[in-house]
Amino acid sequence: GAVVSQHPSRVICKSGTSVKIECRSLDFQATTMFWYRQFPKQSLMLMATSNEGSKATYEQGVEKDKFLINHASLTLSTLTVTSAHPEDSSFYICSAPRSANGNTIYFGEGSWLTVV
Amino acid sequence: GENVEQHPSTLSVQEGDSAVIKCTYSDSASNYFPWYKQELGKGPQLIIDIRSNVGEKKDQRIAVTLNKTAKHFSLHITETQPEDSAVYFCAASRGNDMRFGAGTRLTVKP
Repeated sequence: GAVVSQHPSRVICKSGTSVKIECRSLDFQATTMFWYRQFPKQSLMLMATSNEGSKATYEQGVEKDKFLINHASLTLSTLTVTSAHPEDSSFYICSAPRSANGNTIYFGEGSWLTVV
Repeated sequence: GENVEQHPSTLSVQEGDSAVIKCTYSDSASNYFPWYKQELGKGPQLIIDIRSNVGEKKDQRIAVTLNKTAKHFSLHITETQPEDSAVYFCAASRGNDMRFGAGTRLTVKP
């Protein structure tokens, strides 16, 4: 079964609004989680590393004020897309390493964001 | 930083044939090499992985080989089935820093 869960799986929002995506590790604690963005027929692009209790680390070119990441607990990281625009429409995926499995990284089911 | 290259980008095989996907990496310090299968609209699913202290690993119809000297690793799927059709990603990592290949779209024709 899934060890990392994302919610919502699909969301439609209006331009200018904000939308929050949650990523949960289901039966383990994750001090680090990762957020990816994936465009159709392309690979996963790492956006940022979410660190529990501290600021996220963003990849070059990713706007930290637009993609707010909060890792408030050891099992939950959230990605908030602020002031969304149609070009933010994409598939967002999170992942987390599970230390009990030698830090094997597991992915969530992904969240489809459509901005209209 | 790490750079992972994956080939081919698309692969079409007949049901029952074998499929091989190859990846190369640049960072000799990478020590963990997972393979993920991604179906349309879903998140990547780990199918097999190998660590740097092992040269080969097999799980039923799936096997992975690793050549650390040459810095390449491969995924082998035998007796392919239509449900194997998906996009496959290789990755290489050192600690939590994981980088992905561009993906291979595998189509298994019945």
